[in-house]
Amino acid sequence: GAGVSQSPSNKVTEKGKDVELRCDPISGHTALYWYRQSLGQGLEFLIYFQGNSAPDKSGLPSDRFSAERTGGSVSTLTIQRTQQEDSAVYLCASSLGPAREETQYFGPGTRLLVL
Amino acid sequence: LAKTTQPISMDSYEGQEVNITCSHNNIATNDYITWYQQFPSQGPRFIIQGYKTKVTNEVASLFIPADRKSSTLSLPRVSLSDTAVYYCLVGDRYYGNKLVFGAGTILRVKS
Repeated sequence: GAGVSQSPSNKVTEKGKDVELRCDPISGHTALYWYRQSLGQGLEFLIYFQGNSAPDKSGLPSDRFSAERTGGSVSTLTIQRTQQEDSAVYLCASSLGPAREETQYFGPGTRLLVL
Repeated sequence: LAKTTQPISMDSYEGQEVNITCSHNNIATNDYITWYQQFPSQGPRFIIQGYKTKVTNEVASLFIPADRKSSTLSLPRVSLSDTAVYYCLVGDRYYGNKLVFGAGTILRVKS
């Protein structure tokens, strides 16, 4: 079946603009995660959605970052007033359930460049 | 979350067995050990997960000693396509699903 998809694959924006990144998880997966990966670095957790529960936003770096998940499926990560340090690859992952032993399946990522 | 330490990089040749060791001295009772693989321009991909002793799947083996303070990912007969970054993660099985990736180990397989 289809894996996790993300769009756009690449995004170039000017400092101060808002951007929206989209994630389509694997059908039937109740858990959805957003991560950020800067050049040459490991992944940094941003936010986690599980079913209809309130999301875990503990990884969001500032209030310019927000995310929503509509209908328990598609998720959008929004970055307002982008800064150059926001440049990174933004990765989305989904898993069947919330337990750690549930494998997280990652999408290809969105490469964001803020000029 | 337990901190992990891995070698920054390793080099190998095609057909060799590669063993990547990860140290996690502060591993907790409920923690599982998971390894991911990441190719350039792709998201990480799950390889293997274990709690203790040895786990084997079609891709790799994971060796975990009795004290669980380290683990070794073993890749049999690597090929050029195994060139990637390998991440070791340790975390609670039931709480905190946020994966915390370290810098990982860059494995370069040469012909």
